[in-house]
Amino acid sequence: QVQLVESGGGLVKPGGSLRLSCAASGFTFSDYYMNWIRQAPGKGLEWVSYISSSGTTRYYADSLKGRFTISRDNAKNSLYLQMNSLRAEDTAVYYCAREKDTFDYWGQGTLVTVSS
Amino acid sequence: EIVMTQSPATLSVSPGERATLSCRASQSVSSNLAWYQQKPGQAPRLLIYGASTRATGIPARFSGSGSGTEFTLTISSLQSEDSAVYYCQQYNTWPPPITFGQGTRLEIK
Repeated sequence: QVQLVESGGGLVKPGGSLRLSCAASGFTFSDYYMNWIRQAPGKGLEWVSYISSSGTTRYYADSLKGRFTISRDNAKNSLYLQMNSLRAEDTAVYYCAREKDTFDYWGQGTLVTVSS
Repeated sequence: EIVMTQSPATLSVSPGERATLSCRASQSVSSNLAWYQQKPGQAPRLLIYGASTRATGIPARFSGSGSGTEFTLTISSLQSEDSAVYYCQQYNTWPPPITFGQGTRLEIK
């Protein structure tokens, strides 16, 4: 069965960095586009970033202003999100999601808290 | 960016009755519209894609309709486990951003 497991979240100070990982299993990872979506506490869903199946095409939400970088390693069936210059407003649960037309499978999420 | 607006913000319905949730797009998204269900502490679950196609394993009491800018999610014969927040999402825009509605909280009386 399809599984997506995020890791790497935690408490980080403003201006700090964090790298999230998403381990995929149960499907041919290299065949699928992948995305990161986040949800601030008590708020709605916000799309963060997209990466093509080969990793050559990437898109980001304008609100990130170049601070985040999405990547993938198809040999390791893994998706990553490098987050730099973190701000309090980046506090959220970060989900990785497989894209097949839309987001058909989601991980359980990893919480990122940006606070001094 | 396409803005998705859901209504109502909160809906309270009795078990066995029907719930109707609405989603409006600020410009046409054709039929590239999905609905998700999210329960507390859980990830969103895909219910409907292509505006009206149920995802794998989704009960037939969930149905979607609409195209263009107006969409509806109908849950017939409500059950207690349907209590959740429901989000619509458009995926018509390319390249992204993909956008979500703000959610409708469905309460079962």
